[in-house]
Amino acid sequence: QKEVEQDPGPLSVPEGAIVSLNCTYSNSAFQYFMWYRQYSRKGPELLMYTYSSGNKEDGRFTAQVDKSSKYISLFIRDSQPSDSATYLCAMKTSYDKVIFGPGTSLSVIP
Amino acid sequence: EAQVTQNPRYLITVTGKKLTVTCSQNMNHEYMSWYRQDPGLGLRQIYYSMNVEVTDKGDVPEGYKVSRKEKRNFPLILESPSPNQTSLYFCASILSLSEGRVSEAFFGQGTRLTVV
Repeated sequence: QKEVEQDPGPLSVPEGAIVSLNCTYSNSAFQYFMWYRQYSRKGPELLMYTYSSGNKEDGRFTAQVDKSSKYISLFIRDSQPSDSATYLCAMKTSYDKVIFGPGTSLSVIP
Repeated sequence: EAQVTQNPRYLITVTGKKLTVTCSQNMNHEYMSWYRQDPGLGLRQIYYSMNVEVTDKGDVPEGYKVSRKEKRNFPLILESPSPNQTSLYFCASILSLSEGRVSEAFFGQGTRLTVV
């Protein structure tokens, strides 16, 4: 079993839809949880970052962490064509080893 | 402008010929890291550095070396490249990852390496 699993997609939604992106993990030592967005031919950019369990909201983006279920989610409200990208979850222990999920490709259709 | 600069962007080399990919950041970040990205495998951490003269192995360190003599530079060295190191490489620079602190994380534009 991989340490971090993520539905690879591709995921295709109409503009304005609510998007749910999910990751599961097996290592209970992960404490820091991140979501990155990667456009084609670009480096990843950090979208959201949370510590331990709970929710965090930033504009149209909401990150949720459920450590008891080893499950994290990123919700995108009112999705836009500019949200079309690959979304990567990433996790880190307190010893600074970062593990990325394989990424989910999202297309938002106008 | 805050940025992470990798060079070269594209490189084709032959098996066994030593090469170095440079990475430089202008943000005074402590934490730097190298990743490789392969289809279906996502980003895998090669090496990371928490500060000058402090480096540690990530998940896939075999065949790679790094050094951190200065805070701004974190070169990736392939002493004897092999075809299985053909990949897209990213350098990343992060201010800090700790509870309650706003983090900055920047990735370089990537280096596409082909080893024939």
